[in-house]
Amino acid sequence: DSGVTQTPKHLITATGQRVTLRCSPRSGDLSVYWYQQSLDQGLQFLIQYYNGEERAKGNILERFSAQQFPDLHSELNLSSLELGDSALYFCASSVDRGPWTEAFFGQGTRLTVV
Amino acid sequence: GQQVMQIPQYQHVQEGEDFTTYCNSSTTLSNIQWYKQRPGGHPVFLIQLVKSGEVKKQKRLTFQFGEAKKNSSLHITATQTTDVGTYFCAGSRGGSNYKLTFGKGTLLTVNP
Repeated sequence: DSGVTQTPKHLITATGQRVTLRCSPRSGDLSVYWYQQSLDQGLQFLIQYYNGEERAKGNILERFSAQQFPDLHSELNLSSLELGDSALYFCASSVDRGPWTEAFFGQGTRLTVV
Repeated sequence: GQQVMQIPQYQHVQEGEDFTTYCNSSTTLSNIQWYKQRPGGHPVFLIQLVKSGEVKKQKRLTFQFGEAKKNSSLHITATQTTDVGTYFCAGSRGGSNYKLTFGKGTLLTVNP
């Protein structure tokens, strides 16, 4: 158990819909990272928050947004969903503000868009 | 943008054989991390390398960071069935660049 909690574990939704994925980082970790994992693209970095502020942005679509709340949990919002958004979405947390310490990954949310 | 290439994409070995995966970056890296993801699981941190030419060992696993800090390798000696999984390298350029770019991974399968 990494200490990072992601909910829900599985999500099936229709195209055009909007979903919210939730992540609770390890106790004491201030950074939260979101990744998308698909078979053909591997692990794609989406976005990072550190102590409530956006720190780095990767290949995140405009239809996607995220935020980190004062209690440090984070949510990833995916809207106008397309079939191609079907993937495994991982949240990871670390104590530092940058990628120079170990990141702990949650179990992931498997999103299926039908 | 920064690219991290990893080869091979797949590797199948007999138990007891050695295994190596290679990681190459298009830019000089500040640090490189290695993760292992078991089938159906999530990535788990293995190690981080930060110094040019650094070599670190964890039991049967040997990690190297190239002199130019643009490539890295993971070598497993005498593979076991418990080594099955996908091995990812992930690099960062450092400074104000906080992105960690992952390679596509090498899927290792081990025949008992």
